[in-house]
Amino acid sequence: EDQVTQSPEALRLQEGESSSLNCSYTVSGLRGLFWYRQDPGKGPEFLFTLYSAGEEKEKERLKATLTKKESFLHITAPKPEDSATYLCAVQGNTGFQKLVFGTGTRLLVSP
Amino acid sequence: GAVVSQHPSWVICKSGTSVKIECRSLDFQATTMFWYRQFPKQSLMLMATSNEGSKATYEQGVEKDKFLINHASLTLSTLTVTSAHPEDSSFYICSARETMAGGAYEQYFGPGTRLTVT
Repeated sequence: EDQVTQSPEALRLQEGESSSLNCSYTVSGLRGLFWYRQDPGKGPEFLFTLYSAGEEKEKERLKATLTKKESFLHITAPKPEDSATYLCAVQGNTGFQKLVFGTGTRLLVSP
Repeated sequence: GAVVSQHPSWVICKSGTSVKIECRSLDFQATTMFWYRQFPKQSLMLMATSNEGSKATYEQGVEKDKFLINHASLTLSTLTVTSAHPEDSSFYICSARETMAGGAYEQYFGPGTRLTVT
């Protein structure tokens, strides 16, 4: 069964204090690993899809990396507006290739 | 990125009535759409997967007669909560899958619908 574990559960940073969020996964035949950002009361906002180990993608202060067992979302010099819950999901080769989500990391960036 | 819309964004209904939620992919065609439910401070729970022109596939424990899903076109899926009860109050989010070049998938989410049953 495909599984995703995200850590830490919650993270508090000062503005400008860089850090990383972890997403560990087990999946039968990885088709893609997805990162989303979710603000309270809103649907998840797409950030990245990574398809194979070694792949990296960047968007503003965010950089996602992928290995065969985990993915990291690096946040460089975060700002208060980066505060949100970050969700990781994997898509495998079974079950309509549906996304399997982790429970998320709640990030709070203080000014 | 691709855009998925949902309507309404919030709805209040009385117990025993039915409510329909629409989900549209605005700038791409989605052969597959998904419906999720999210409780406060919890992750998304997949309710069902729908493919255009065929019956939806429901996750274990989700009542298909209560949550009717219709994927009528490549850009529209609807979720109807029938005979709603207070325990159906939740945040419902739809998602649409876009097939990229090379057969890879990207999946985008709508803004969600807050349903309150009184």
